Amino acid sequence: GAGVSQSPRYKVAKRGQDVALRCDPISGHVSLFWYQQALGQGPEFLTYFQNEAQLDKSGLPSDRFFAERPEGSVSTLKIQRTQQEDSAVYLCASSLAQGTGYTFGSGTRLTVV
Amino acid sequence: EDKVVQSPLSLVVHEGDTVTLNCSYEVTNFRSLLWYKQEKKAPTFLFMLTSSGIEKKSGRLSSILDKKELFSILNITATQTGDSAVYLCAVDSNYQLIWGAGTKLIIKP
Repeated sequence: GAGVSQSPRYKVAKRGQDVALRCDPISGHVSLFWYQQALGQGPEFLTYFQNEAQLDKSGLPSDRFFAERPEGSVSTLKIQRTQQEDSAVYLCASSLAQGTGYTFGSGTRLTVV
Repeated sequence: EDKVVQSPLSLVVHEGDTVTLNCSYEVTNFRSLLWYKQEKKAPTFLFMLTSSGIEKKSGRLSSILDKKELFSILNITATQTGDSAVYLCAVDSNYQLIWGAGTKLIIKP
């Protein structure tokens, strides 16, 4: 597609519920990144894929967070047993190669109640 | 259709100059406007603006929002080569971020 597409745009989850957030990167973009952005703060790095390989997951805050990109295109960020502190905007970005410009999606705003 | 337009698309100045970057928007449900500095790694959050006329400052950077005329400006004074980056503006509208295309700023020594 023309840009990075994320879905859903908005998600309300009850505490303890599992959620799955989807990212469709720009076609042909090798690198894909997930970020977590709390209100009024900058995006915090979560994880990075190069094609289907997850090369860096150092930013995932706990083992409740899991990301995959099985065919090197669409990626899913899964959060198990959601907690209130997981409430944030989850941003996905893709780039043609590491170190080149990023294109960000519109984000998924997750609210855990 | 919601949109965010940044200008200029690119700008080359000499170290020590002052620059003004512009961001105009048309959105259906404005919540806030955010400025980021994007280099090769994750974008750096600069400012979040929600109210008109209140200038936010951080060192040599400052920004202000005009909700009547639907724009924001980002000022950088006494520019340094380390300020070279793409500056992105995004508007939080109806629970999604709408991004401008960015202004590529190059500071020549």
